[in-house]
Amino acid sequence: SQQGEEDPQALSIQEGENATMNCSYKTSINNLQWYRQNSGRGLVHLILIRSNEREKHSGRLRVTLDTSKKSSSLLITASRAADTASYFCATREDGTSYGKLTFGQGTILTVHP
Amino acid sequence: KAGVTQTPRYLIKTRGQQVTLSCSPISGHRSVSWYQQTPGQGLQFLFEYFSETQRNKGNFPGRFSGRQFSNSRSEMNVSTLELGDSALYLCASTTTATGIYNEQFFGPGTRLTVL
Repeated sequence: SQQGEEDPQALSIQEGENATMNCSYKTSINNLQWYRQNSGRGLVHLILIRSNEREKHSGRLRVTLDTSKKSSSLLITASRAADTASYFCATREDGTSYGKLTFGQGTILTVHP
Repeated sequence: KAGVTQTPRYLIKTRGQQVTLSCSPISGHRSVSWYQQTPGQGLQFLFEYFSETQRNKGNFPGRFSGRQFSNSRSEMNVSTLELGDSALYLCASTTTATGIYNEQFFGPGTRLTVL
């Protein structure tokens, strides 16, 4: 079963614009991770934020985590056509083993050149 | 370091047959997990193996099974295939050496089509 919802389900923007995706989850978590998937291929890890962190940056990516609201957001700044992909949040719930992640439904991002 | 590899990349089977998928984790990674991805259900956790032992299992019928070898390579098996088993099967590995905040590294997946 899915951990929660991602919003929006689809996002279409122009190159250079920023893209924001949101993720909500249901249980207490150890960490939250964001992944990218291109056209039904494997998942590429983007960033991990720990449950005791509120914000994290990596290049053009900015992730926030609000554990009181059980939500996270991923911001991609100055988007490029190559950012076109599906983006998933995944959580590792407290008490579960390293290898079990629970994924959201994903946001399909389309960046038009 | 070489990434996670999965074989085969594509597979076509018919209902009732069985299938075995293989995954080689990143060198040094001892935890291997399997996920099923379908348009309807999204990404769902199948199971996780660590040191040849199944450590966690998702909510899938007993037709889905797996194992891990001493070199950490893993296989998953699906018996008596059903049309609904058509999916992208993803394998991921993670290190357990750096504590509890571990990212997972995914392979390219095996696309299984059941006719």
